[in-house]
Amino acid sequence: NAGVMQNPRHLVRRRGQEARLRCSPMKGHSHVYWYRQLPEEGLKFMVYLQKENIIDESGMPKERFSAEFPKEGPSILRIQQVVRGDSAAYFCASSRTGGQFVSGNTIYFGEGSWLTVV
Amino acid sequence: AQTVTQSQPEMSVQEAETVTLSCTYDTSESDYYLFWYKQPPSRQMILVIRQEAYKQQNATENRFSVNFQKAAKSFSLKISDSQLGDAAMYFCAYKWRGSEKLVFGKGTKLTVNP
Repeated sequence: NAGVMQNPRHLVRRRGQEARLRCSPMKGHSHVYWYRQLPEEGLKFMVYLQKENIIDESGMPKERFSAEFPKEGPSILRIQQVVRGDSAAYFCASSRTGGQFVSGNTIYFGEGSWLTVV
Repeated sequence: AQTVTQSQPEMSVQEAETVTLSCTYDTSESDYYLFWYKQPPSRQMILVIRQEAYKQQNATENRFSVNFQKAAKSFSLKISDSQLGDAAMYFCAYKWRGSEKLVFGKGTKLTVNP
């Protein structure tokens, strides 16, 4: 049973370019979460999506960042016109349902995607 | 706003000894969950242990146990019989029952000395 798969693991972009990070949730999981980890910091919530719906994007920067989770295919976190401050690890997590501590439900994290902006 | 504070940026322990990592949190909610996550050098976030706030009994998972003091808003992690593989960053996290967001502390880097 494959875990949460993120790619690419490492991505280098020049300032002003676009970065696309992909996340395939665990099989049977329809809830996806994105978190960002800046150097020397804990993870910070960005967005929570279900299939075709953004449920909570309160942690997303207002500009340049967007996320989607289409009916088919992986969830995508898109960062337009990247700046040096976007350099971070971006973690995706998934769960079978929301309310992650309903009996039997657990949230699983991927191994992260490391974005470096030069 | 909910916050999670880990006051120990780094800790070290001798192999086979016991170590306690501290965590405090601030919330006005009464129904919430607390977690400890481990992030080894591979960087994957691994759930170590979790605690429901309504449960008075402290959670235990093999060598890992917590000391949950709800009134003091304290949630420490005790690792017994420390092993080299326990070396990692440890993050304390909070989640209100009515939200899907995890709020993380800044982490404690644990070194295990042979």
